[in-house]
Amino acid sequence: DADVTQTPRNRITKTGKRIMLECSQTKGHDRMYWYRQDPGLGLRLIYYSFDVKDINKGEISDGYSVSRQAQAKFSLSLESAIPNQTALYFCATSDPGTGTDTQYFGPGTRLTVL
Amino acid sequence: GENVEQHPSTLSVQEGDSAVIKCTYSDSASNYFPWYKQELGKRPQLIIDIRSNVGEKKDQRIAVTLNKTAKHFSLHITETQPEDSAVYFCAASRETSGSRLTFGEGTQLTVNP
Repeated sequence: DADVTQTPRNRITKTGKRIMLECSQTKGHDRMYWYRQDPGLGLRLIYYSFDVKDINKGEISDGYSVSRQAQAKFSLSLESAIPNQTALYFCATSDPGTGTDTQYFGPGTRLTVL
Repeated sequence: GENVEQHPSTLSVQEGDSAVIKCTYSDSASNYFPWYKQELGKRPQLIIDIRSNVGEKKDQRIAVTLNKTAKHFSLHITETQPEDSAVYFCAASRETSGSRLTFGEGTQLTVNP
């Protein structure tokens, strides 16, 4: 779904570095989410935002922070990356006003922390 | 909070056979149950969903059933094809203004030609 984009697509960084993952959408959705995917652990919610002024922690927010710069942009930051944050990160959007809260995922960012 | 358990974690079937993936949820107030398919190297995409006011929904070879009393729901794929090979995720939520999805851990389905 080209309406939800993520940058970078792949990133290798070192322990202790600060890194930002960015998500942009052209779907006009108010709701945006950041998930982490590890093998065998499914999709775990890090943070979510229901509008520009609303930020909520998910189930695994420790070590992460987010910024909702605009309706279309939602960034995830790792202030001091550690190796166990190596994972595949997905951004998603949704709009319950359409009658369903279907989530539309971006292509993912593969992050490796050495 | 909601807890979703998904079984099996891996499933291998022969082409043409049926596949069934089962999920249980803990929050009796959950009323929205989507299923997502994630092909290798791709993003998850919605394939079917069901709400608590119906017990079954079909879309061609895919169907989902819901048992609210037992708090479980299942994905059924008939006449499986190699292109059905993927990871399938179930999820649950209260479809209200403040809700968000809780995902199961996924099932790797392999359809052997």
